[in-house]
Amino acid sequence: DIQMTQSPASLSASLGETVTIECRASEDIYSNLAWYQQKPGNSPQLLIYDANSLADGVPSRFSGSGSGTQYSLKINSLQSEDVASYFCQQYNNYPPLTFGSGTKLEIK
Amino acid sequence: QVTLKESGPGILQPSQTLSLTCTFSGFSLSTYGMGVGWIRQPSGKGLEWLANIWWDDDKYYNPSLKNRLTISKDTSNNQAFLKITNVDTADTATYYCALSYYGYNYFDYWGQGVMVTVSS
Repeated sequence: DIQMTQSPASLSASLGETVTIECRASEDIYSNLAWYQQKPGNSPQLLIYDANSLADGVPSRFSGSGSGTQYSLKINSLQSEDVASYFCQQYNNYPPLTFGSGTKLEIK
Repeated sequence: QVTLKESGPGILQPSQTLSLTCTFSGFSLSTYGMGVGWIRQPSGKGLEWLANIWWDDDKYYNPSLKNRLTISKDTSNNQAFLKITNVDTADTATYYCALSYYGYNYFDYWGQGVMVTVSS
């Protein structure tokens, strides 16, 4: 199984700041990585696929990058509506599909 | 417009079988490339993928739970199903179904989730 190590577990930032969340795979996943946003009380929603492609309707302040085993999600100009948990997911090698443990983002 | 909605028993006892239904619209599971997955999330914790079923009835399971899982579909009624046998308290979670496309094993659309509690 491919293990996904996500950091940090929690993050507090001010409105307008830029934040970065990292995900490290236990082996090369060839950019087969998705990021999801889960707002409190809601189901996850797709943000990014193929490591750097923005899903439909996702604001351009979200971006993804990385390759090999190291990937990141960046949120520019943090907004109050970005308060959520964020999860990465690899789909290079399955079964099983595997998720990172999540990052809880709060506003300072 | 794609929508998915999960339904389940709410509460069940240890050793029972959990039966979940995903009712969807906006796509057909008889269309090439379409798939539905099941993912669960214990309260306050992370996501665990359980199983996928594809338009051609191909099925994939999480090896850690494989012996307990059965995924199936009813294309004429736009439904997918998941059964988990011999449940225990560790199966207490919110269960989601989600749409996936063949060759792209991420989840574009998710249901609202259904909470399942296993308790004696």
